[in-house]
Amino acid sequence: AQKITQTQPGMFVQEKEAVTLDCTYDTSDQSYGLFWYKQPSSGEMIFLIYQGSYDEQNATEGRYSLNFQKARKSANLVISASQLGDSAMYFCAMREYTGNQFYFGTGTSLTVIP
Amino acid sequence: GAGVSQSPSNKVTEKGKDVELRCDPISGHTALYWYRQSLGQGLEFLIYFQGNSAPDKSGLPSDRFSAERTGGSVSTLTIQRTQQEDSAVYLCASSLMSGDTQYFGPGTRLTVL
Repeated sequence: AQKITQTQPGMFVQEKEAVTLDCTYDTSDQSYGLFWYKQPSSGEMIFLIYQGSYDEQNATEGRYSLNFQKARKSANLVISASQLGDSAMYFCAMREYTGNQFYFGTGTSLTVIP
Repeated sequence: GAGVSQSPSNKVTEKGKDVELRCDPISGHTALYWYRQSLGQGLEFLIYFQGNSAPDKSGLPSDRFSAERTGGSVSTLTIQRTQQEDSAVYLCASSLMSGDTQYFGPGTRLTVL
């Protein structure tokens, strides 16, 4: 089974609108971390936001927030007030604390339309 | 401070040749990861180093792939007898401790002709 599933290969959003990028995960661990990364066309992976499995509050970082629904095993990224520079690939990742690996999803390509 | 750096940024080689890819992690970061990203795909875990512990090599796709990390800092990923399917972007990431947020380098784009 896939550890991280991102079901939206491509998304479009109007500039200044909000957009939600979906991510579901699969783990039997109680302790894990969830991450979102942005990869612009330049190729570098940029860390956006982190959510720990024991964190009760949804993580927020500026225009980014993580909608963490533990029972549903989902960790959706919400980008508010989209900007043209938000156009990029977005990857969801998970780290189980019983192992060493980070598991990445296949990514969602976001295009912001002016 | 300086981020993760990788060299070379691009490498074109002929099938059958050996290549070495280098990663300089952020100073003070004890954990270092190598990933492979094929065109339009997600990241494939290759190998993980944590301090002086034995590396986790479980993601290496074949015995043609090896990596070392000298002095707990710089790491080199070596691919022997390269094949066309090895063509990909190889990304290195480091984190302060195991499990912490990873910070990525710009990657090395490897093309095997």
